[in-house]
Amino acid sequence: SAVISQKPSRDICQRGTSLTIQCQVDSQVTMMFWYRQQPGQSLTLIATANQGSEATYESGFVIDKFPISRPNLTFSTLTVSNMSPEDSSIYLCSVRGLAGGRGETQYFGPGTRLLVL
Amino acid sequence: AQSVSQHNHHVILSEAASLELGCNYSYGGTVNLFWYVQYPGQHLQLLLKYFSGDPLVKGIKGFEAEFIKSKFSFNLRKPSVQWSDTAEYFCAVNVNTGNQFYFGTGTSLTVIP
Repeated sequence: SAVISQKPSRDICQRGTSLTIQCQVDSQVTMMFWYRQQPGQSLTLIATANQGSEATYESGFVIDKFPISRPNLTFSTLTVSNMSPEDSSIYLCSVRGLAGGRGETQYFGPGTRLLVL
Repeated sequence: AQSVSQHNHHVILSEAASLELGCNYSYGGTVNLFWYVQYPGQHLQLLLKYFSGDPLVKGIKGFEAEFIKSKFSFNLRKPSVQWSDTAEYFCAVNVNTGNQFYFGTGTSLTVIP
């Protein structure tokens, strides 16, 4: 399995500001993903972070609001831009293992708990 | 769109009671099925998974799940729960042709000592 760390673990931010969340994996992985888990709800995929190219966003999420970087196979960042209270959520980094084949398990980071005032 | 349904939102059991959490999905093709658990204050951990073969899969901590293709279900079971099983449980489905995992809304389990 992969060990995933996220920074920061939590933050309280003012509306209109931006926060960049970092995700570090202890081994090279083929796939990295960013999820959001809003209070009382399930996980929603924001985007797939592609190494060396632009991220692939899911419906309802756009690059201007959630710019993502993935400079190598072990690191990615997610920025939550121009934040509003509706962005208060837990943001989770997730990876799929080296094989990347059918049924490969996804592993999750500890999450970043964000509160926007 | 694909969907994953967890019908039990909150379950409260006494220790030693049996547990069954329902999970149904909507996709008709080949799927891979997972149950994840999130203990209080901790991050998501894999409980068990089904790729192919024996439809009854066993996971950690005495949990098991049965894949019933005709019912599009993957229910989680444990014969005797413990207080330490108090957690949020998420069912997830990965469609064979894509990368995305589709998650259910989760079931909050509280086990009373």
